[in-house]
Amino acid sequence: AQSVTQLGSHVSVSEGALVLLRCNYSSSVPPYLFWYVQYPNQGLQLLLKYTTGATLVKGINGFEAEFKKSETSFHLTKPSAHMSDAAEYFCAVSGGHNFGNEKLTFGTGTRLTIIP
Amino acid sequence: NAGVTQTPKFRVLKTGQSMTLLCAQDMNHEYMYWYRQDPGMGLRLIHYSVGEGTTAKGEVPDGYNVSRLKKQNFLLGLESAAPSQTSVYFCASSPGGYNEQFFGPGTRLTVL
Repeated sequence: AQSVTQLGSHVSVSEGALVLLRCNYSSSVPPYLFWYVQYPNQGLQLLLKYTTGATLVKGINGFEAEFKKSETSFHLTKPSAHMSDAAEYFCAVSGGHNFGNEKLTFGTGTRLTIIP
Repeated sequence: NAGVTQTPKFRVLKTGQSMTLLCAQDMNHEYMYWYRQDPGMGLRLIHYSVGEGTTAKGEVPDGYNVSRLKKQNFLLGLESAAPSQTSVYFCASSPGGYNEQFFGPGTRLTVL
């Protein structure tokens, strides 16, 4: 079974500051990891994903995340926050290629607020 | 392409009433999913389907039924709505494998 923990249900950063959203996972098999973003009153859209290969993954809108197996983490970062980054962010894990990979387990989400 | 669409966008039901939520995708995806989103709880999987004619239970299936008679459609039914089913419901589809899921815009359901 897989699980995801997102530390901090609310994060506020100043415009232009570093964004760091934390995600730790638990999985008994090599995981696939995802970050999704949800803007108000919309569905979720994919920011980035890690499946295999390079552990530093770049996504849309200047976001990136690093898979650290030893720390079971997949934290999301962006060097300089923009007002348009205000949204809710969800980390998700699936069980990899050969084990229940058809299902995602989501974290509880982190709401990001950008301070002008 | 419209992607994933959901009907209706909003609905208010009285306790005990029934309804069906429709999800449609035009991407020829094999896998489809129904989630509910509640404050502070993230998204929880209700039911999913790995192909036409198949369905499987997710994390919170009680009180819901689903059908996948056509590959492009995935229906979620509430036979006797309860206030605890007040939520935002999202449908998603995926090609499967290690590809991401694509989400619809959601249906906001209130049960009085």
